[in-house]
Amino acid sequence: KNQVEQSPQSLIILEGKNCTLQCNYTVSPFSNLRWYKQDTGRGPVSLTIMTFSENTKSNGRYTATLDADTKQSSLHITASQLSDSASYICVVSVDNAGNMLTFGGGTRLMVKP
Amino acid sequence: KAGVTQTPRYLIKTRGQQVTLSCSPISGHRSVSWYQQTPGQGLQFLFEYFSETQRNKGNFPGRFSGRQFSNSRSEMNVSTLELGDSALYLCASSPRTGNSGANVLTFGAGSRLTVL
Repeated sequence: KNQVEQSPQSLIILEGKNCTLQCNYTVSPFSNLRWYKQDTGRGPVSLTIMTFSENTKSNGRYTATLDADTKQSSLHITASQLSDSASYICVVSVDNAGNMLTFGGGTRLMVKP
Repeated sequence: KAGVTQTPRYLIKTRGQQVTLSCSPISGHRSVSWYQQTPGQGLQFLFEYFSETQRNKGNFPGRFSGRQFSNSRSEMNVSTLELGDSALYLCASSPRTGNSGANVLTFGAGSRLTVL
């Protein structure tokens, strides 16, 4: 069964600190892995997309890594800001062109002043 | 550039009724996919439409259906509503270019359905 597991489920950090969110997947076949940020009451917004051959990708203060051998990914947030408070969802796609996605349960991040 | 527009944003129905949700994709995007988000199950893929044809389908009962029009706008319908259908229904559009990793999904804000 295709699964995407994220940890921790929730996390509280102080503004300015760094944090790392984890994602393990058992999805097969694997096409690409995506990280999304979802603010409360809004739709998810794409942060990064990585294919099998990519092992790191950055988007501003967000850096995602991918180890396709161990089927693990991480999202590192540098110098956190209050606006980073959101749910971060790891998503794995099984097909190249379509949008059949398997979603992780998300990590709820709260950044406190 | 307008984003993905979903209507209505909020609605309340009772068990046994049916509901239709609408999604207008970003101009030029031909793929529209639908997702259900609940606190217990998280986000789950419902189905994807491209060029008015359903291309992929998730593991949901036949009460959940959809369609896509020639202008790429899409609707999803849920018949015989159950309490467990209460959820945020998200629609996303993409160009669907066929290149791996190139299909960035742009999500709408969702339609929050409450079934009483």
